[in-house]
Amino acid sequence: EADIYQTPRYLVIGTGKKITLECSQTMGHDKMYWYQQDPGMELHLIHYSYGVNSTEKGDLSSESTVSRIRTEHFPLTLESARPSHTSQYLCASISGISYNEQFFGPGTRLTVL
Amino acid sequence: GEDVEQSLFLSVREGDSSVINCTYTDSSSTYLYWYKQEPGAGLQLLTYIFSNMDMKQDQRLTVLLNKKDKHLSLRIADTQTGDSAIYFCAWRAGSYQLTFGKGTKLSVIP
Repeated sequence: EADIYQTPRYLVIGTGKKITLECSQTMGHDKMYWYQQDPGMELHLIHYSYGVNSTEKGDLSSESTVSRIRTEHFPLTLESARPSHTSQYLCASISGISYNEQFFGPGTRLTVL
Repeated sequence: GEDVEQSLFLSVREGDSSVINCTYTDSSSTYLYWYKQEPGAGLQLLTYIFSNMDMKQDQRLTVLLNKKDKHLSLRIADTQTGDSAIYFCAWRAGSYQLTFGKGTKLSVIP
């Protein structure tokens, strides 16, 4: 069982607010990912990191930013939230022993009013 | 480009078998995966298959891989109401990123 934590689980905020979605894993995984999942279920990769101080943008352009100062922590920040950011955000990591398995956190459901 | 296709909905009766299909376009894929997502939750890895295998069975789950047709399927035997969820196929080809299908929503009728 993988240990990936995301907080908050649900967030409702007003337009223009700055928010940070937290993602932590206790398994020492070096590779971590953020996905945005739209209401039609499809997953889109928006950011990934292969180690400390390494971050890259994913396939889907996103106004969010990420940081990776510690191996276990991969927060995602929106400087000024808009209704178009309303979505489910999923964090994931890959085992350092076998790269076969990508483990997911429970997700943060963000609603921007 | 690389893409993964899945039918969006499947409805089966409790006790019947479910078969969820997936087609992919990249023949260089090395690992192919099936994930399950229950409402309000993240994705849970169900099983995966290496590209040099044709079949993998794990309790009620059977994965079949047809490399020639680039077709992957997940069979769930004796489907239960707890199997109702969205199922995603995904593949990895060398990099450490996965490409996901659009997901199939399985509804199990009691």
